[in-house]
Amino acid sequence: KAGVTQTPRYLIKTRGQQVTLSCSPISGHRSVSWYQQTPGQGLQFLFEYFSETQRNKGNFPGRFSGRQFSNSRSEMNVSTLELGDSALYLCASSSEGPNQPQHFGDGTRLSIL
Amino acid sequence: GQQVMQIPQYQHVQEGEDFTTYCNSSTTLSNIQWYKQRPGGHPVFLIQLVKSGEVKKQKRLTFQFGEAKKNSSLHITATQTTDVGTYFCAGLSSTGFQKLVFGTGTRLLVSP
Repeated sequence: KAGVTQTPRYLIKTRGQQVTLSCSPISGHRSVSWYQQTPGQGLQFLFEYFSETQRNKGNFPGRFSGRQFSNSRSEMNVSTLELGDSALYLCASSSEGPNQPQHFGDGTRLSIL
Repeated sequence: GQQVMQIPQYQHVQEGEDFTTYCNSSTTLSNIQWYKQRPGGHPVFLIQLVKSGEVKKQKRLTFQFGEAKKNSSLHITATQTTDVGTYFCAGLSSTGFQKLVFGTGTRLLVSP
């Protein structure tokens, strides 16, 4: 069974730009969660999608948004990028939600110049 | 909001020594999960604990869930260099929003 696939692996952007990250979950998994990982803040929850609906959201500004498609693939978008958005963005999938083991992708390393 | 703290933040041991990391939640948890992240890698699920006072073992790793379901620990016996990485606990609150809150992590370094 293929694991969670995130693209791209690395991204360099400048302040003010926007970016879209993609996540393909494990086949059959309907829950996709996104996390931001930084050395100072650890793993911070962004949002969780289940069957195309956002079920939970973390404490991030509205510049961070996401969506999930009917095939469970998910995208997250960050608009008006700031230097502080530089981080590793991790996607995790599970069959039903956060009460089950989360399977993480390798992440997208986003650097803002 | 719910907070999950881990101590220590960092530990350096000699191969063969034991290691323990502690996880404390500000709220009661319905379950707790443990993950390991190797340097340059992504978190990998280790185990999930659900019952009050539960103890589970995986070879040299022993996981405990506190009686009050607000704390947990991971103990590694006779560490090996392959144990190097950051260990995270992640708690699911028993009330309110169903989202996993990750602990601050304990980075383990093992010297041969």
